[in-house]
Amino acid sequence: EAQVTQNPRYLITVTGKKLTVTCSQNMNHEYMSWYRQDPGLGLRQIYYSMNVEVTDKGDVPEGYKVSRKEKRNFPLILESPSPNQTSLYFCATLDRDSSYEQYFGPGTRLTVT
Amino acid sequence: DAKTTQPPSMDCAEGRAANLPCNHSTISGNEYVYWYRQIHSQGPQYIIHGLKNNETNEMASLIITEDRKSSTLILPHATLRDTAVYYCIVRVKGGTSYGKLTFGQGTILTVHP
Repeated sequence: EAQVTQNPRYLITVTGKKLTVTCSQNMNHEYMSWYRQDPGLGLRQIYYSMNVEVTDKGDVPEGYKVSRKEKRNFPLILESPSPNQTSLYFCATLDRDSSYEQYFGPGTRLTVT
Repeated sequence: DAKTTQPPSMDCAEGRAANLPCNHSTISGNEYVYWYRQIHSQGPQYIIHGLKNNETNEMASLIITEDRKSSTLILPHATLRDTAVYYCIVRVKGGTSYGKLTFGQGTILTVHP
């Protein structure tokens, strides 16, 4: 079954404590990205990766880092989380071979106090 | 990407067909119509896409008018689990920023018993 998995699904943390949200896919898609979703602001792309070792900033990259050392994994790193990073985060992959449809993970709800 | 207009909300009785309209009067010849949905706080889910011919898959049917200025997503036998926000998006496959998905306000579909 085609899947995008994220961990953890829920996280409450404190300001400044580094954290990593993992994302893994089993579809061999080259393109992966991270979004955050906030009420009234819709989906906003944080970072994306067009292939292994290739990453680029999306619309709201400040305060985030990513890495793409292997095709299946695309972790999102918050080096020093702040309360304004409290949000619902989604990892997504894109099928660039045919339909260009996007597959989303189940989401990670992050609260930074 | 062309702008789309959807009604903010719709109701449907369980077991009946749900017909969700979308206007995209400025669509270009190489732009596809995509539909996604998001069940409360879950990851967005791809439903269907099309260029100019009507399309059907296991989830839904997509009817695109001959002038391509509007389309209708049809859920043939709506269930309570189809209650979600439905997003109509018009975009070029492989165009600039092809990996960045931007949702408008969408249509909140409520399926009631």
